[in-house]
Amino acid sequence: AQKVTQAQTEISVVEKEDVTLDCVYETRDTTYYLFWYKQPPSGELVFLIRRNSFDEQNEISGRYSWNFQKSTSSFNFTITASQVVDSAVYFCALSEASTNAGKSTFGDGTTLTVKP
Amino acid sequence: SQTIHQWPATLVQPVGSPLSLECTVEGTSNPNLYWYRQAAGRGLQLLFYSVGIGQISSEVPQNLSASRPQDRQFILSSKKLLLSDSGFYLCAWSDRVGWDEQFFGPGTRLTVL
Repeated sequence: AQKVTQAQTEISVVEKEDVTLDCVYETRDTTYYLFWYKQPPSGELVFLIRRNSFDEQNEISGRYSWNFQKSTSSFNFTITASQVVDSAVYFCALSEASTNAGKSTFGDGTTLTVKP
Repeated sequence: SQTIHQWPATLVQPVGSPLSLECTVEGTSNPNLYWYRQAAGRGLQLLFYSVGIGQISSEVPQNLSASRPQDRQFILSSKKLLLSDSGFYLCAWSDRVGWDEQFFGPGTRLTVL
């Protein structure tokens, strides 16, 4: 069975600090997909990134970067020079290729608070 | 471009009353559709998903039901609400082919009193 663990329930940083959100997953599939979503205070989840299990290349998008390591079953998300607008709940999710309808299992989320 | 709508945005209902939440998607065909519930301060719980008209799969046994009368319409219902049904309900869609990311609607905040 698939499982996603986000051990950090809440993180608080001061603006301009770097912050890393951890995500550890469990799956028996060799083909799977990992996602990160952002849920700002408005409530609507916003897709950030998708990674498949065959692509371990790290990715950078502006101040955001993602570190995918199959050896440790982790898909961590780093925000560089955090800003107040980064305050949100961040969810990591996993979809197994063998799962019907592309269902995703979500972690419980990490609440990030960036203070000015 | 694709858009997803949910209504109502907020709802306060008494225990025992019926419920109907609606979700519609525009700009895509044959999407996978999903209903999630998010309790306060908690993660997302998948309630139902659908791969086509009239095809509903339930993930969690409960007093809720879902229907898909049209390709891009997904409805969440209950005949009698419980206090435990309070929460934030999110509808989402994804492309039928592959395991693409999901796109979420703005959500409905339901309070059962």
